[in-house]
Amino acid sequence: EAGVAQSPRYKIIEKRQSVAFWCNPISGHATLYWYQQILGQGPKLLIQFQNNGVVDDSQLPKDRFSAERLKGVDSTLKIQPAKLEDSAVYLCASSSGGGGTYEQYFGPGTRLTVT
Amino acid sequence: GESVGLHLPTLSVQEGDNSIINCAYSNSASDYFIWYKQESGKGPQFIIDIRSNMDKRQGQRVTVLLNKTVKHLSLQIAATQPGDSAVYFCADQRPGGKLIFGQGTELSVKP
Repeated sequence: EAGVAQSPRYKIIEKRQSVAFWCNPISGHATLYWYQQILGQGPKLLIQFQNNGVVDDSQLPKDRFSAERLKGVDSTLKIQPAKLEDSAVYLCASSSGGGGTYEQYFGPGTRLTVT
Repeated sequence: GESVGLHLPTLSVQEGDNSIINCAYSNSASDYFIWYKQESGKGPQFIIDIRSNMDKRQGQRVTVLLNKTVKHLSLQIAATQPGDSAVYFCADQRPGGKLIFGQGTELSVKP
């Protein structure tokens, strides 16, 4: 079974530029998560989708971050404009269900460096 | 606020020894905990989980202990191998699925 796919793997941009990350979850997984992992810290949830609807985006900086999952399959996360503090690894995860007992499978992440 | 934390940022052990990684949490309502392993350049990988109605759970070479009285859990790895070198996170999974991660402990295994 193929895992969670993410692209690009690495991205370097200057502050105030925009960037987009793509995630393709495990086939059939209804729930998709985006996490931000700053160097030396654990991942922090940014947004959770159930099919194409948003379940939790309470920690998403909505003035600059946006995410969509239009067809309930793959998803994009966008940052516009980027700030230096956005430098982090952006992890996508998926699970077959949306409850608290479903295992989340993580992709390899996209490492963003903002200069 | 809610938090999940670890006692030590780094741990170095000799190959073949047992490793113990600790974690503290603050939310008394938390009832489902997961340990993850994250290797360099990869996403976190599920190792073992435990619910609050248990105080111990064993897997292959790994054991998780939960002490709800002091809000503490630990991950024990038996006969640590070089392939166990990674960063280990404890996480609290909420009913809706959200994971609250701690900061991680980097385990180094010396041959």
